[in-house]
Amino acid sequence: DGGITQSPKYLFRKEGQNVTLSCEQNLNHDAMYWYRQDPGQGLRLIYYSQIVNDFQKGDIAEGYSVSREKKESFPLTVTSAQKNPTAFYLCARTPLTGPGDYGYTFGSGTSLTVV
Amino acid sequence: AQSVAQPEDQVNVAEGNPLTVKCTYSVSGNPYLFWYVQYPNRGLQFLLKYITGDNLVKGSYGFEAEFNKSQTSFHLKKPSALVSDSALYFCAVRALNSGNTPLVFGKGTRLSVIA
Repeated sequence: DGGITQSPKYLFRKEGQNVTLSCEQNLNHDAMYWYRQDPGQGLRLIYYSQIVNDFQKGDIAEGYSVSREKKESFPLTVTSAQKNPTAFYLCARTPLTGPGDYGYTFGSGTSLTVV
Repeated sequence: AQSVAQPEDQVNVAEGNPLTVKCTYSVSGNPYLFWYVQYPNRGLQFLLKYITGDNLVKGSYGFEAEFNKSQTSFHLKKPSALVSDSALYFCAVRALNSGNTPLVFGKGTRLSVIA
């Protein structure tokens, strides 16, 4: 899994419910990211975090929330305020020990469907 | 602001023929460029990156990319395509000295290699 695990792989949610997607990494990397993928739109950044207890909004943060209480975990909550949550969600990690030349390592993704 | 354009939604190529997937970028300063590949219902996998040095970068699975600063391009190439290369390809960029700001991704290009 490249040291980063997303769960569950498939998730179904009823309208009006909050749901939390898990992202865990075991390589002690500093930075973690959440992206949303929709067909034909590429990857859009939701939130990212570079240190524990700190995170920044990305381009499409509305209707989402995150926490970074420990280095290895960066869960994403899709709230009822997100009007179109059906999408594929990707988590990524990278160390910050250099100029960033490692790039990102991605999890295998979570497919969220609102039913 | 950083941006990436992948002008082709779909590229079709016959097996054994050379392939090119196009990418152009816009950043302030020097770019840090990546190519990733995604297979169905999976996360993105790293193919190659460019930071500095030779304009021709070699990566995984026989892929290479050519950095052209004057044309602000970073096209992905392979001399002889395989059916197994069929996948979704993403170009990504950030400014080299941007303090670890998140990567910006293109919308992706679907490569179809026909036997």
